[in-house]
Amino acid sequence: AQTVTQSQPEMSVQEAETVTLSCTYDTSESDYYLFWYKQPPSRQMILVIRQEAYKQQNATENRFSVNFQKAAKSFSLKISDSQLGDAAMYFCAYRSANRDDKIIFGKGTRLHILP
Amino acid sequence: NAGVTQTPKFRVLKTGQSMTLLCAQDMNHEYMYWYRQDPGMGLRLIHYSVGEGTTAKGEVPDGYNVSRLKKQNFLLGLESAAPSQTSVYFCASSYSLYFFGGLAKNIQYFGAGTRLSVL
Repeated sequence: AQTVTQSQPEMSVQEAETVTLSCTYDTSESDYYLFWYKQPPSRQMILVIRQEAYKQQNATENRFSVNFQKAAKSFSLKISDSQLGDAAMYFCAYRSANRDDKIIFGKGTRLHILP
Repeated sequence: NAGVTQTPKFRVLKTGQSMTLLCAQDMNHEYMYWYRQDPGMGLRLIHYSVGEGTTAKGEVPDGYNVSRLKKQNFLLGLESAAPSQTSVYFCASSYSLYFFGGLAKNIQYFGAGTRLSVL
């Protein structure tokens, strides 16, 4: 069975600085997707960034980028120029590429932005 | 563009009461899901559906039932609520697709959540 591990329950970063959230996963599959979701106080889950496992190039979305290390099964999220609005819970998630596309979430990392 | 809508947003139940959570999506998605979120546990899949008229068990299905009579709606029922079911419940939907097709549609859309307290 696939698992997703986020080893940092909480992190803090100074506004305008860069922070990296860690995520590791375990799977025997070769085709899959990885995601980072943001959950602000409003509770809604917002997709931040996604990565297809077959792509070697790391995904980037504005200030958000990932470091995808397939062999190490590592998928970290880097937030550059942190803003107060980035404060939220961040969930790393895995989804198989087959037809049964259940998504598996890590336990989350709460990110605090210090003004 | 409503996306995924959950009702109600909040509910308080007494032990043994029943209730139904409604999830509606207007994106014509085939797949729908119900998750629960508990502190320190992340999101756990309760039940999911791969199309109208189908349902399947997820990771933590006990104590819940679901129905997908219409493609746009996915109902989560608690027949006899227990304090252990106090949680935040999220509904999600997605397109069904194969690995080499429709990658742009390959994401889950979430509702805003329902906070349920069982006393």
